[in-house]
Amino acid sequence: SQTIHQWPATLVQPVGSPLSLECTVEGTSNPNLYWYRQAAGRGLQLLFYSVGIGQISSEVPQNLSASRPQDRQFILSSKKLLLSDSGFYLCAWTTGNQPQHFGDGTRLSIL
Amino acid sequence: ELKVEQNPLFLSMQEGKNYTIYCNYSTTSDRLYWYRQDPGKSLESLFVLLSNGAVKQEGRLMASLDTKARLSTLHITAAVHDLSATYFCAVRSNMRFGAGTRLTVKP
Repeated sequence: SQTIHQWPATLVQPVGSPLSLECTVEGTSNPNLYWYRQAAGRGLQLLFYSVGIGQISSEVPQNLSASRPQDRQFILSSKKLLLSDSGFYLCAWTTGNQPQHFGDGTRLSIL
Repeated sequence: ELKVEQNPLFLSMQEGKNYTIYCNYSTTSDRLYWYRQDPGKSLESLFVLLSNGAVKQEGRLMASLDTKARLSTLHITAAVHDLSATYFCAVRSNMRFGAGTRLTVKP
């Protein structure tokens, strides 16, 4: 069966520090991968999506970046975090007409 | 640019009552998805609607899709407290989500 792993679950980082969030998928090949951010009490903002290794599309210009070094690995990074980067980050995958399958999310607090 | 609008954004219902959540989108799409999110949790899939006129039902929830009107509805029948959550619709075009409808069902 397919599973998605996202870590860490919770992260507290100082302003200006770097960030690396990792997401891996098991049990499927060549999935579409997505990173979303959700501010408290708000909807989901699509940050990045990827249809294949090394193929990244950015939806919102910001100080975040994404990489897909392997078929089932999606990484969200920042060189210098801002206060506005706080939020709940969700990774998701899908293939074909399937609905998206979400990871458990990372709650990021910037101090 | 694709826009997905849900209404209402907040919904407080009495148990046993019926209500409908609406999802309008701005460009052609033949795929629409409904998700549920409990507080502090991730999203889980409820329904996948893949064609015009599609109707799916699970328990007290029923979803439908009208691609010509660019409208999907999520109908709640005889609401119970366990349905309290935030409900999102999403359109296939790179999975754009509506803002969500926060549903509270009161005894």
